[in-house]
Amino acid sequence: QQQVKQSPQSLIVQKGGIPIINCAYENTAFDYFPWYQQFPGKGPALLIAIRPDVSEKKEGRFTISFNKSAKQFSLHIMDSQPGDSATYFCAASGDYGGSQGNLIFGKGTKLSVKP
Amino acid sequence: DGGITQSPKYLFRKEGQNVTLSCEQNLNHDAMYWYRQDPGQGLRLIYYSQIVNDFQKGDIAEGYSVSREKKESFPLTVTSAQKNPTAFYLCASSIIHSGTHYEQYFGPGTRLTVT
Repeated sequence: QQQVKQSPQSLIVQKGGIPIINCAYENTAFDYFPWYQQFPGKGPALLIAIRPDVSEKKEGRFTISFNKSAKQFSLHIMDSQPGDSATYFCAASGDYGGSQGNLIFGKGTKLSVKP
Repeated sequence: DGGITQSPKYLFRKEGQNVTLSCEQNLNHDAMYWYRQDPGQGLRLIYYSQIVNDFQKGDIAEGYSVSREKKESFPLTVTSAQKNPTAFYLCASSIIHSGTHYEQYFGPGTRLTVT
């Protein structure tokens, strides 16, 4: 119940395309869902986050869509660029027995945007 | 220049030796975390601390130890008991909200190679 399942494992799109990365969870106590972007050899950087009281959040070219009933959330990258090539991680946290609000991470999606 | 620093960036050790990884933050964050990252495994929590002189085990604490003597510092020792220590180690810190949301920010990481 503590897992966050992320798909696909890898994704290749052409420049200008809209890659979509999906995450699913089981624990209904999760109430915070961030996305991180990681370049090779670097630490992850917080990209965008959403709470379950909204169904969509946009920041620049990045959009999170959230479906509370399906327990799924996804990241869309509009007008993708080669510089967006990175590994993306979804995560979730919530206030439940012993969790301390710690993040549970998906296993990551390696995105490659071709010129 | 605020942020999280980890040193060194690369570390090489012989099997059987303990090694300590440094993590410092000047963000005045209360909580600090250590993660291990292996290819295809995402981020796995080793230890975390929400207050000075207190810390808790994460999901994979065996073979690791930490201390939190100062708010800004959270060193991780990889002991000889850790069976597979070669990995990319990430330190993070976060603000503790009154609610359940913990926005974690990551350092640049230390790549440890044990031979």
